[in-house]
Amino acid sequence: DTGVSQDPRHKITKRGQNVTFRCDPISEHNRLYWYRQTLGQGPEFLTYFQNEAQLEKSRLLSDRFSAERPKGSFSTLEIQRTEQGDSAMYLCASSPGGGVHSPLHFGNGTRLTVT
Amino acid sequence: KQEVTQIPAALSVPEGENLVLNCSFTDSAIYNLQWFRQDPGKGLTSLLLIQSSQREQTSGRLNASLDKSSGRSTLYIAASQPGDSATYLCAVIGGTASKLTFGTGTRLQVTL
Repeated sequence: DTGVSQDPRHKITKRGQNVTFRCDPISEHNRLYWYRQTLGQGPEFLTYFQNEAQLEKSRLLSDRFSAERPKGSFSTLEIQRTEQGDSAMYLCASSPGGGVHSPLHFGNGTRLTVT
Repeated sequence: KQEVTQIPAALSVPEGENLVLNCSFTDSAIYNLQWFRQDPGKGLTSLLLIQSSQREQTSGRLNASLDKSSGRSTLYIAASQPGDSATYLCAVIGGTASKLTFGTGTRLQVTL
């Protein structure tokens, strides 16, 4: 169990550029979640995958955001035409599934700064 | 819409003190409640998960209680240590079982 891995740890980009983040969940965890956290706030849910199927998306996930999990293993989160308001920590989590009582395991996040 | 509130927002205590962190939620129809720890610039570490049918969970110096009907949970930390300094977040899974709704956290500092 190597934990949830996120790459990169930090990303600085100029407004209008596209960025892509990667998340590698714990092996054999079939649920994968993306959250966004701004300074001084708790994480906010963005989207959720069960294996390769994206089952839920928050209203926070505008059409500039897209997430994929093509083979049910790693996931990518892409933000197109970044805005300064996108600056935040993007957290990925995974769980083994098997019901609502499986705890989520979080990665260390990708901190995005849009200048 | 579920809302989760944590009080106090920040807390400073001397080493060795016992302390209680509070969490309240507006919709009592939850499946479970989870307490996390977050160190600066890091991700979240799960501390305790209480199922809706349970009243409390214990792990080492940590004890979490849940009163689902009143929409409240507490995290009790015994004999606090400087290494306990971090932000503590509570989160609930409610009607939509797939996602956690988080509070804004309590920032704890344990001083020598």
